[in-house]
Order: sequence, then structure tokens, then C-alpha cells
Amino acid sequence: EVQLVESGGGLIQPGGSLRLSCAASGFTVSSNYMSWVRQAPGKGLEWVSVIYSGGSTYYADSVKGRFTISRDNSKNTLYLRMNSLRAEDTAVYYCARGIVVGAFDIWGQGTMVTVSS
Amino acid sequence: QSALTQPASVSGSPGQSITISCTGTSSDVGGYNYVSWYQQHPGKAPKLMIYEVSNRPSGVSNRFSGSKSGNTASLTISGLQAEDEADYYCSSYTSSSRGVFGGGTKLTVL
Repeated sequence: EVQLVESGGGLIQPGGSLRLSCAASGFTVSSNYMSWVRQAPGKGLEWVSVIYSGGSTYYADSVKGRFTISRDNSKNTLYLRMNSLRAEDTAVYYCARGIVVGAFDIWGQGTMVTVSS
Repeated sequence: QSALTQPASVSGSPGQSITISCTGTSSDVGGYNYVSWYQQHPGKAPKLMIYEVSNRPSGVSNRFSGSKSGNTASLTISGLQAEDEADYYCSSYTSSSRGVFGGGTKLTVL
């Protein structure tokens, strides 16, 4: 079965760091482009970051310099390292598989990140 | 990158058709045929409904269709059904190789 399972969310103080994981099954992460998308409570979807199959990475302006997307091909897992966390980073974080440019056909169940003191 | 512009809400009666618009710029919607649409029910992950402006993934009802004119893309749902009630989001590839979503539209089936 093709699926994505996120983990690593939780409650973290402002300024802290967290690493989210997204384990894939049924397909190869490195052969696809993968993204992180977040959704603040009661709000819309926000694109966060992408890693293309060739390894190029891009970030939303709101997280650039603080977040890092990466993948471990041996573990078939996508990661999002989040540093210098702020209250406005509080959201459900989804990982998603891209099938063609701009389209995500497989989504994880989401992991909640709460930044609060 | 500014979010794409969608109406906050639309509504329709069962059996009717509705259209949701998604307005961007020449750097995103107008510049590429890489517009997608997602359906999201409360507490669930988004589901891809349309990609590359007008293509439907396998398993998505043909009641859903997409189009684009200039900087505005549209999602049309025909023969509205109760289960279509959800939030809908458009997204587009951008000239900076990043993605951008619309603010979302809440569809109410009356």
C-alpha cells in the first residue's frame, strides 16, 4: 500500500527545535518530489518546502533560514528540521508526494506542532 | 509569495452546479498549466481532485472539472451531492520553483 506516516510533532517552547519525519511505503521517496505543507488551527493550507528528485530544495519565505528539508534514501524517509520555532509555526504538518509539478496525490495523516511557553 | 485568491464560501443545492475561482498572477496561475485543486473534509488530509488545470486523478468523479483563463483558474462541480460539502483549495507552481495555495473556499450544500 502506498502511504506516508508522519511523526515527531509535539509541544515545544518558542526558540526551540524539532525534527519531523515522514516514512514512506509502497514507493521510493528519492524518485519523487516531496513536500511539506502545514495548516494552522482553523486556517488554510500553506506550502512550506519541497525537495525535488535531483535534490534541489526550496522554502517558503516564512520558514527560509529556519527549516531544512532532507531525505534518507536508505530509510525511505523525508524529514523537516525546524529551528528557531515561533508561535506562528503552530500547525498540523503534512508531508505529501508530488506526481507532476504542483500536484500532490499522497498525503500523510499530519502531525501537530504546538509552539508555546 | 502571496496566497492565491479564492472566495471564502460558495453554496448550492443538491443537483446544481457551482464554480470556485482561483486568481493569481502571471508568475503562478497565469504562467503555468500547473494548477491543482484539493478537497478537504474536517479533520482529514487534503485529497487531490484536479491537476494540471483540468486532469482528474483515477477515482475522482467526472462531476469535478477544472479550467483556466489568464490568471484565473476555476473548479466546477456539477450535480452537487451532500458529500461534496468540504473546503476546497487551489494551488499553483510558481516562477520561483515553489508552490502556493489559495486561501480556501468552504462549500455548503444546502
